[in-house]
Amino acid sequence: EVQLVESGGALVRPEGSLRLSCAASGFISGDYQMNWVRQAPGKGLEWISYIDSSGGTIYYADSVKGRFTISRDNAINLLYLQMTNLRAEDTAIYYCARSWSSSGWSHFDYWGQGTLVTVSS
Amino acid sequence: SYEVTQPPSLSVSPGQTASITCSGDALGEKSVSWYQQKPGQSPVVVIYQDFKRPSGIPERFSASNSGNTATLTISGTQGEDEGDYHCQTWDRSSAVFGGGTKLTVL
Repeated sequence: EVQLVESGGALVRPEGSLRLSCAASGFISGDYQMNWVRQAPGKGLEWISYIDSSGGTIYYADSVKGRFTISRDNAINLLYLQMTNLRAEDTAIYYCARSWSSSGWSHFDYWGQGTLVTVSS
Repeated sequence: SYEVTQPPSLSVSPGQTASITCSGDALGEKSVSWYQQKPGQSPVVVIYQDFKRPSGIPERFSASNSGNTATLTISGTQGEDEGDYHCQTWDRSSAVFGGGTKLTVL
């Protein structure tokens, strides 16, 4: 059974830093592209970052570029999101989501349960 | 940046057909996925690549994508279909989500 379990969410002060982790099981994580998607309270989904299976190709949303860093360790099936210079508007549930690709297009076929990040003084 | 737009809410009676739209420039040239999210839960994909249904998703879920509009259709809507529905596509290496549509079945 495919499982994605996020951890690391916390209450952090503005301009602070936090690292989220996503533990993958039930599949060979090194075979798949992965993403982070967030959802602010009462709002819609916002994609924030993508990493390919090897970690060689990475993309970010403009809202987090330069502040967030995605990475992965396929040896231990972990995906990370290092967040720095956090702002109040980064407050959200953060989900890791697996990409499944076909015919040049991909979608998010499995999602974790999410971890809550609250940025407040 | 590319944007897709959904109506904020839709109400249908049980057994009726619910149609949720997602609009964007030349959206028909892209691939659209739809996610269902129930309160307090993570999103679940119900449609991918415009019209494909993952295993385990009921046949009452169908979709199309043409021109500037993608449409998710739920035929014979049931109470368990209540929740938020998000459309999603890709534009220049960025995933783009619509704002979500809250479907109420009453």
